[in-house]
Amino acid sequence: QKEVEQNSGPLSVPEGAIASLNCTYSDRGSQSFFWYRQYSGKSPELIMSIYSNGDKEDGRFTAQLNKASQYVSLLIRDSQPSDSATYLCALNSGGYQKVTFGTGTKLQVIP
Amino acid sequence: DGGITQSPKYLFRKEGQNVTLSCEQNLNHDAMYWYRQDPGQGLRLIYYSQIVNDFQKGDIAEGYSVSREKKESFPLTVTSAQKNPTAFYLCASTNTGGGDIQYFGAGTRLSVL
Repeated sequence: QKEVEQNSGPLSVPEGAIASLNCTYSDRGSQSFFWYRQYSGKSPELIMSIYSNGDKEDGRFTAQLNKASQYVSLLIRDSQPSDSATYLCALNSGGYQKVTFGTGTKLQVIP
Repeated sequence: DGGITQSPKYLFRKEGQNVTLSCEQNLNHDAMYWYRQDPGQGLRLIYYSQIVNDFQKGDIAEGYSVSREKKESFPLTVTSAQKNPTAFYLCASTNTGGGDIQYFGAGTRLSVL
């Protein structure tokens, strides 16, 4: 079982819709969770970080964490074509400041 | 502006050649990391360093070497022992106590001639 699992997609949503991206993980000791956005040919950039159960909102983005069920999700409201990218789920899997990344979900927002 | 600078942006390696990728940061971060990304894949950790003059192997260290002589610099050498070096290489850094948030450079794309 992979440490961090994501559906590779592509996930296609119409412009203005809500995009829902999901991630499951295997290490129950994980404490820190991140969503990075990566445009094709570019480096990842941090979208959200979340450290406790529940929801965390930042503009159009909401991260949701459920440690009991071992999943973390990212909701993007009012999706825009500029949101089209690969979204990487990442977490601290126990090593000192060592982060493990999922393989990413490709999101396509259709105008 | 504070950030992480990787150079060169593109690099070509000949058979049997060692090549070095540069990573410099002016964020005053303690920890630095090197990742490799293959098409359609996530990031795989090559090496990381928590402090100067100390570094640890990641998940795919074979065929690579690093040094950390200065806090600001963490160069990666891709040796001739790495038989499949074509990939996108990313350098990142983290501030101690910064909640493990990693900040990335723009990356170096390495290809084999």
